[in-house]
Amino acid sequence: QVKLLQSGAALVKPGASVKMSCKASGYTFTDYWVSWVKQSHGKSLEWIGEIYPNSGATNFNEKFKGKATLTVDKSTSTAYMELSRLTSEDSAIYYCTRCNYGWFAYWGQGTLVTVSS
Amino acid sequence: DVQMTQSPYNLAASPGESVSINCKASKSISKYLAWYQQKPGKANKLLIYDGSTLQSGIPSRFSGSGSGTDFTLTIRSLEPEDFGLYYCQQHNEYPWTFGGGTKLELK
Repeated sequence: QVKLLQSGAALVKPGASVKMSCKASGYTFTDYWVSWVKQSHGKSLEWIGEIYPNSGATNFNEKFKGKATLTVDKSTSTAYMELSRLTSEDSAIYYCTRCNYGWFAYWGQGTLVTVSS
Repeated sequence: DVQMTQSPYNLAASPGESVSINCKASKSISKYLAWYQQKPGKANKLLIYDGSTLQSGIPSRFSGSGSGTDFTLTIRSLEPEDFGLYYCQQHNEYPWTFGGGTKLELK
């Protein structure tokens, strides 16, 4: 079955960067877009952007351009998201999802990022 | 960006009852709306996409309706496992955007 296994929680200092991973299994990784979604504590969901593993093409929410970098490693069916110049506003749970025509059929378990000195 | 507004914010109901959650888009999104369930310790679950198409494996007590700007998720005969958070999301145009969420609680 389809699984998206995300990397563990991270505690990072303000101004630093963090890179998280999302390992896909149970389907052909290069056939579907992978999206990333942010959920701040107690708040709703925000779409960050997406990457198409076959070509590396990306689309971003304007709000996250310059903040998030999306990459993939096709050899290991793993998607990555790096967040840069972290502030307290970036403390959140980040989900990777498999995206079909803009809707998200499968979700990872989430990676908690805490930005604190 | 398309703003998505959900109502009610909180909803209390008992098992066996039927409930409806509403979602309103700031502009027409045709039929392109999805619904998700979120529960602690579990992966978020897609319930409905394209406004009314039931995702594979989702019980038929869940149904979606609407088009344009107004949509509804209806859950008939609530089961204990249905309590949790529900989100709508438009998938008509970038950036994909979500509603603020509805918390369905046990009465």
